Amino acid sequence: AQSVAQPEDQVNVAEGNPLTVKCTYSVSGNPYLFWYVQYPNRGLQFLLKYITGDNLVKGSYGFEAEFNKSQTSFHLKKPSALVSDSALYFCAVRPGYSSASKIIFGSGTRLSIRP
Amino acid sequence: NAGVTQTPKFQVLKTGQSMTLQCAQDMNHEYMSWYRQDPGMGLRLIHYSVGAGITDQGEVPNGYNVSRSTTEDFPLRLLSAAPSQTSVYFCASSRSSGDYEQYFGPGTRLTVT
Repeated sequence: AQSVAQPEDQVNVAEGNPLTVKCTYSVSGNPYLFWYVQYPNRGLQFLLKYITGDNLVKGSYGFEAEFNKSQTSFHLKKPSALVSDSALYFCAVRPGYSSASKIIFGSGTRLSIRP
Repeated sequence: NAGVTQTPKFQVLKTGQSMTLQCAQDMNHEYMSWYRQDPGMGLRLIHYSVGAGITDQGEVPNGYNVSRSTTEDFPLRLLSAAPSQTSVYFCASSRSSGDYEQYFGPGTRLTVT
């Protein structure tokens, strides 16, 4: 069965420091991988995706994620954190060529950036 | 474009009551879906639709009904509310079921007492 794990409920980072939000997955076949962000009282917003090609994908707001097939990971990164990055981040996975109905979301990681 | 809209934003129900959560999108998207978000559990798919007149069950469909009479609207009906249905509900849409990016509404926070 496919699954996605976000091992950290909360990540705390000082403004200006690099940040990493971890995600590992299990899926049969080639995965489609996604990161979404949720600001307070808002719906999820798409950040970036990995479908195929370059293992480092760039997304909105300066975020990037690295696909590592051998470690089955898709960690979200940003070189320099901003206070405005504080939000809830969700990793998601679905098998390649499958419907959007097959997407599985992780439990979320709350990112807190202190000034 | 308003994107994906949901009403109401908040709702309190008593056990056994029924209600309909409204969802509409103005992007002419074929695929629409409903999720519930519970603490520590991420989002779980309730029902989805690949086009007008076509709906199917997701991971947690029990206690919920949907219909899709138009491309724009995808209401979610709670038939007889239970405290276990206390959650935040999100509607999402995408151009097709194969599309990569989903657009989410702002959510409805439902409390069942």
